[in-house]
Amino acid sequence: NAGVMQNPRHLVRRRGQEARLRCSPMKGHSHVYWYRQLPEEGLKFMVYLQKENIIDESGMPKERFSAEFPKEGPSILRIQQVVRGDSAAYFCASSRTSGTGQGMSNQPQHFGDGTRLSIL
Amino acid sequence: DAKTTQPTSMDCAEGRAANLPCNHSTISGNEYVYWYRQIHSQGPQYIIHGLKNNETNEMASLIITEDRKSSTLILPHATLRDTAVYYCIVRSSGGSNYKLTFGKGTLLTVNP
Repeated sequence: NAGVMQNPRHLVRRRGQEARLRCSPMKGHSHVYWYRQLPEEGLKFMVYLQKENIIDESGMPKERFSAEFPKEGPSILRIQQVVRGDSAAYFCASSRTSGTGQGMSNQPQHFGDGTRLSIL
Repeated sequence: DAKTTQPTSMDCAEGRAANLPCNHSTISGNEYVYWYRQIHSQGPQYIIHGLKNNETNEMASLIITEDRKSSTLILPHATLRDTAVYYCIVRSSGGSNYKLTFGKGTLLTVNP
């Protein structure tokens, strides 16, 4: 399966611990996006990254959350000192380009199956 | 990006065509219509997208009205595995269009 791979699928943490979520984009995709889905809600954009660069992190809480997409290896979403409100499904998507600009919108984002984070 | 309106839920008999409507009356000329679906416990799955012409792929057909104010996603022969929440998303071709906005979508239930 050459799709977007996320791991772990399920992650349980106690309050105050750290959570690290990993995402390997589809082959040939250099753009990665993280979304969060709270229970009974739609997906909300968090952050957009290209290799080694954060392009837009406007949807990510300014404290405790960070994201990276190193030159080698998967993209990581890191949540420090987790709280109960962080319990959610976190989805990663990737695309070949960002899809911006005329003629470039033919670039859908493809999603992984998410990591379900539960905070005890 | 333009706002979309979809019915909350729909039912369809297995083997029949499922027609899912979407209103996007404020869509502008450079905005595309995208459809995704989310099967329970999985990530959103890209289905199809279009600008003004009708589109068809191995999964579905997308019919966009001439004034572009609405569209219909057609699953020609629905199966039980097509039961999912279907999202209609309007996405511009510029700016921060990478921020996909998922509303509540339509829960399609395919019945045996």
